[in-house]
Amino acid sequence: GEDVEQSLFLSVREGDSSVINCTYTDSSSTYLYWYKQEPGAGLQLLTYIFSNMDMKQDQRLTVLLNKKDKHLSLRIADTQTGDSAIYFCAEQNTGFQKLVFGTGTRLLVSP
Amino acid sequence: DGGITQSPKYLFRKEGQNVTLSCEQNLNHDAMYWYRQDPGQGLRLIYYSQIVNDFQKGDIAEGYSVSREKKESFPLTVTSAQKNPTAFYLCASMGTTERELFFGEGSRLTVL
Repeated sequence: GEDVEQSLFLSVREGDSSVINCTYTDSSSTYLYWYKQEPGAGLQLLTYIFSNMDMKQDQRLTVLLNKKDKHLSLRIADTQTGDSAIYFCAEQNTGFQKLVFGTGTRLLVSP
Repeated sequence: DGGITQSPKYLFRKEGQNVTLSCEQNLNHDAMYWYRQDPGQGLRLIYYSQIVNDFQKGDIAEGYSVSREKKESFPLTVTSAQKNPTAFYLCASMGTTERELFFGEGSRLTVL
């Protein structure tokens, strides 16, 4: 079945780059997503990548996809304290209109 | 403004009671979803509905029930059969031509 895995915690200093990693098992995944969750709130879409792409950049965010290894990463450049949140990786197969989420990575940015 | 509204935001329940969580969207989305969030376990799918009057079980449907009588509404009932109902519940919706899953702000249920 589908499975998405992430490490649970990441701690960085303000101004450093953060890299959050994700692995998935479904080789037929078509879209891969990164969502952000602030404390006590819902999730907001940060970015997504289509499976035929290797990289996508959007301002401070860079997504890298290694389809062979089923590995997805999110790099946040110049990390700020406001980036502290939980980051979820998710995958979707075009045949199904549901997303499978990872466990989430809690990013803590210290001044 | 368009979006998803969940209510109540906080809910306390005694053991043995059923409780219904409300989810309303004005985004004209066909598909709606209920997820449960527990610390360290991420989001797990409870039920989803791709069209009015139809819904499917997700990965952890036992002890839950839903209805989809209107496009805008997808209420979730947590029944007394759910053995560990204390959690954060998230409702979401998606349009048929979109790739983004829109989330509500969540409802936190605590069983006393």
